[in-house]
Amino acid sequence: ETGVTQSPTHLIKTRGQQVTLRCSSQSGHNTVSWYQQALGQGPQFIFQYYREEENGRGNFPPRFSGLQFPNYSSELNVNALELDDSALYLCASSITGVYGYTFGSGTRLTVV
Amino acid sequence: AQTVTQSQPEMSVQEAETVTLSCTYDTSESDYYLFWYKQPPSRQMILVIRQEAYKQQNATENRFSVNFQKAAKSFSLKISDSQLGDAAMYFCAYRSAETSGSRLTFGEGTQLTVNP
Repeated sequence: ETGVTQSPTHLIKTRGQQVTLRCSSQSGHNTVSWYQQALGQGPQFIFQYYREEENGRGNFPPRFSGLQFPNYSSELNVNALELDDSALYLCASSITGVYGYTFGSGTRLTVV
Repeated sequence: AQTVTQSQPEMSVQEAETVTLSCTYDTSESDYYLFWYKQPPSRQMILVIRQEAYKQQNATENRFSVNFQKAAKSFSLKISDSQLGDAAMYFCAYRSAETSGSRLTFGEGTQLTVNP
């Protein structure tokens, strides 16, 4: 049984640029969620995808967008990067209706 | 909206002793799930224990147990016989069972140090 894999592990971007983060869900999981974890804080829910459609969103602006692919892998895209976007981005996969989650080790994004 | 509060930013415990981490939450729902996650320096969130709100019995997983007080909206984690490997950031989290989607609402975390 494979876990959740995120890439890249670390990334440095310049303010105003765009970034794409990737997540491979655990085998058999059909739902993927993304979280932003600022330094020293708890993770904040960004959005969730099920059957390639967004079906839940937290308090994040539209420049945060995502995709889920038929193989249940996912991307998080952030446009017009701001310094405050610097954070650890966590991906979690699950099976809809079942409350177990598997988290990846995250992507550490630094915006300079 | 639901909120989760962890009032202890840092805690420490001696190896082999017992420590309790506190968590309170606010919700108007009656059906939900509560979790404790551990986040070591490797950054991956690891599930420690979970509790269904409709269950009266407190969940237990080996050395980890919870004290779930639904009326008080309190969900504390007790770690018995603490080990060096227990040192990590611990997060309390809430998930609704009444609304669609499966978002987790996390607290701010408690950094646990285990002293040898």
